[in-house]
Amino acid sequence: KNEVEQSPQNLTAQEGEFITINCSYSVGISALHWLQQHPGGGIVSLFMLSSGKKKHGRLIATINIQEKHSSLHITASHPRDSAVYICAVNPNAGGTSYGKLTFGQGTILTVHP
Amino acid sequence: EPEVTQTPSHQVTQMGQEVILRCVPISNHLYFYWYRQILGQKVEFLVSFYNNEISEKSEIFDDQFSVERPDGSNFTLKIRSTKLEDSAMYFCASSASGNEQFFGPGTRLTVL
Repeated sequence: KNEVEQSPQNLTAQEGEFITINCSYSVGISALHWLQQHPGGGIVSLFMLSSGKKKHGRLIATINIQEKHSSLHITASHPRDSAVYICAVNPNAGGTSYGKLTFGQGTILTVHP
Repeated sequence: EPEVTQTPSHQVTQMGQEVILRCVPISNHLYFYWYRQILGQKVEFLVSFYNNEISEKSEIFDDQFSVERPDGSNFTLKIRSTKLEDSAMYFCASSASGNEQFFGPGTRLTVL
């Protein structure tokens, strides 16, 4: 079983729609990351969360530590938001953490004009 | 804005050859990582490096792999004898504190 599961695997939306991508994890964590991977392969960090909610522009990320669940929301989606969105966690191994990330399989988002 | 750089962007090699993938992390960062992504699969952790030594490594990171920080700026991943299954995108990342990580653009390794 994967330690980090994302849903949906593929998501198609029309420009302007509100989008939600979900992430569930099965291990204790010290932090959860949302990353964006562009078609060329480059990875950009969007958010790092250990509790609550963060907002940056049209992007909102939330985390529920008790339920081991996080969501990434995109408001007023735009074709330039088309990318792969990846959830990754820092597993809490109980000792010193050096920041290793465990990744979900990614959600492919396509936003049509 | 500081960024992580990687060279080369694409490396093609014959099976059994040694390759060295190079990374220049952000200059004041202390934690360094290598990840790989086989085409169509998720990103996987290979190794982390802190205080001039390996701090964590995955089961993928066997004796064929090694990392080095030969000077104050470069961070390298060496694969001693490449296999077909080593074909993947390799990402370097760095972090100031072991929390938020900044990724390089990746090196696409193709083993023939």
